[in-house]
Amino acid sequence: DIRMTQSPSTLSASVGDRVTITCRASQSISSWLAWYQQKPGKAPKFLIYKASSLESGVPTRFSGSGSGTEFTLTISSLQADDFATYYCQQYKSYFPTFGQGTKVEIK
Amino acid sequence: QVQVVQSGAEVKKPGASVKVSCKTSGYIFTDYYIHWVRQAPGQGLEWMGWINPASDGTNSAPKFQGGVTMTRDTSISTAYMELTRLTSDDTAIYYCARAYLPEDYAGGFDIWGQGTMVTVSS
Repeated sequence: DIRMTQSPSTLSASVGDRVTITCRASQSISSWLAWYQQKPGKAPKFLIYKASSLESGVPTRFSGSGSGTEFTLTISSLQADDFATYYCQQYKSYFPTFGQGTKVEIK
Repeated sequence: QVQVVQSGAEVKKPGASVKVSCKTSGYIFTDYYIHWVRQAPGQGLEWMGWINPASDGTNSAPKFQGGVTMTRDTSISTAYMELTRLTSDDTAIYYCARAYLPEDYAGGFDIWGQGTMVTVSS
């Protein structure tokens, strides 16, 4: 299985901050990576696919980058609605796997 | 609009089975794979498997092989996931989600059901 490791596990930030979350794959996954946002008690929300393509309707303050084994999700100016847990997911292998999640908290 | 609605919460005893349904609408059911993902309380997301509604083909993660059965009923645009020989470790929210690319199992999951809480307790 391809192991996905996110850092940090928790991030404290303020509204207006630029936030970056890193996701590392245990082997190269090219650009076969998606990002999700999950709020408590809700299903995950699809944000980004193919490492950097923004899903329709997702605010442009979200962006993704990277290829191979290292990827980032950036929120350019954190809004109150963005406090949530974020997950990366690889779909290079026949068995997709998720990172363990990064919780973005209010500072 | 595209919707995915799952069946309600379940409480089961250890050793029992549970079957969760995932009713879709707003798109051609057989055009998109359906994936199943679970989330134990306070934990992250775990991919379980997918079903191709067009062919009835399935694939599941190694830890679920032999214990999970995915089926579909194209006449009512509904997918099902049955988990057998339940233990307390299977207590989780179970989600179905649509693959975002048509006719392709790979890729992200763009439309998610609301989740079905399955509690396994004696």
